[in-house]
Amino acid sequence: GENVEQHPSTLSVQEGDSAVIKCTYSDSASNYFPWYKQELGKGPQLIIDIRSNVGEKKDQRIAVTLNKTAKHFSLHITETQPEDSAVYFCVLPGGNTGFQKLVFGTGTRLLVSP
Amino acid sequence: SAVISQKPSRDICQRGTSLTIQCQVDSQVTMMFWYRQQPGQSLTLIATANQGSEATYESGFVIDKFPISRPNLTFSTLTVSNMSPEDSSIYLCSVGLTVNTGELFFGEGSRLTVL
Repeated sequence: GENVEQHPSTLSVQEGDSAVIKCTYSDSASNYFPWYKQELGKGPQLIIDIRSNVGEKKDQRIAVTLNKTAKHFSLHITETQPEDSAVYFCVLPGGNTGFQKLVFGTGTRLLVSP
Repeated sequence: SAVISQKPSRDICQRGTSLTIQCQVDSQVTMMFWYRQQPGQSLTLIATANQGSEATYESGFVIDKFPISRPNLTFSTLTVSNMSPEDSSIYLCSVGLTVNTGELFFGEGSRLTVL
């Protein structure tokens, strides 16, 4: 099955700083790369995704970049705010049931200090 | 989007007992999944809940331990059978609205503690 590695496992930043989380994967056939955010006591929620036909996608303060040659994709959060504190998961489709049988990365706990 | 309600939200259970978790969705959905999240860990897919047929289990998960029902397109249950402390986890129901959107919606999870 698909193997995905995520780094770092924890990340502490000051409010206003940028945060970058990186994931590497093994299956070269992967063509969909979502990121999920899980706040304390809640289920994960999709925050941004990218398909393999583009190298970067941005949505306000968050962006995702994809390097298919090197098999890695990254989440970038600029101007971090305390409400960005959560666990972030990179995710890959893990089966052939469309895009929805997901394999989650190990997660990054982001702490944004005021 | 989809609104997913899970019950119970949390429970404390005794070793050797079984507990059934319910998942109710506010609309009919084709794809429904059950995930497990052990303390401080990532999410692991347990099974795909299939309406009208047996669930499809991932490697390491078996029907005798995690029986799943899906009587219709808005409801599913997951039972954790003969529980041990190792079953202490958050169990999450998730749904996909269409095959090609790639987005899953999750319930808030059911946190089980087995003593």
